[in-house]
Amino acid sequence: DAMVIQNPRYQVTQFGKPVTLSCSQTLNHNVMYWYQQKSSQAPKLLFHYYDKDFNNEADTPDNFQSRRPNTSFCFLDIRSPGLGDAAMYLCATTLSGLNTEAFFGQGTRLTVV
Amino acid sequence: AQTVTQSQPEMSVQEAETVTLSCTYDTSESDYYLFWYKQPPSRQMILVIRQEAYKQQNATENRFSVNFQKAAKSFSLKISDSQLGDAAMYFCAYRRANTGNQFYFGTGTSLTVIP
Repeated sequence: DAMVIQNPRYQVTQFGKPVTLSCSQTLNHNVMYWYQQKSSQAPKLLFHYYDKDFNNEADTPDNFQSRRPNTSFCFLDIRSPGLGDAAMYLCATTLSGLNTEAFFGQGTRLTVV
Repeated sequence: AQTVTQSQPEMSVQEAETVTLSCTYDTSESDYYLFWYKQPPSRQMILVIRQEAYKQQNATENRFSVNFQKAAKSFSLKISDSQLGDAAMYFCAYRRANTGNQFYFGTGTSLTVIP
């Protein structure tokens, strides 16, 4: 009964080759987040969707894009992965406007070779 | 972005003892939410405990409790009767109450529980 599911768990991509990470949720939450987490660092918010509205963090590189075709699914596209993009990518969801926590997926570990 | 600071990269505690993890944050807002999350090795992040800033009473969840000092912008987590399963990374997180939906995380504290 996983609620936030990320696929794949592990992804290896070549330097410069576009890659897409996926996230799905069964919670019907209207807010979905993508975080980047590097070793021994805090999860860093890349962007989030509030319903269909996309909200980019000011310091998120243009190399990172996102799509949310419907409430349940959200994708993270890395257009030209560099070695510095190797990290754990976490998807999370929540309900807006309420004191609800964020629910996280298990993450996708991205390796760039 | 809000700043959340966890000054203890690593902590250890003897099994059955008590440990306190510290967290401070920077905000100009009066209403917000604070959370402690646990991230076991290779497993997903899960909520430990939450606190609403407008509540003076400290939150408690079984062996986990917080010491929320709003004026000092401090939000520490106390784990009582530590168990081996408590070993994990612990992240403090901040969320605005009224505008935006972003969660901001601290750098984490790695907790080791010694048998």
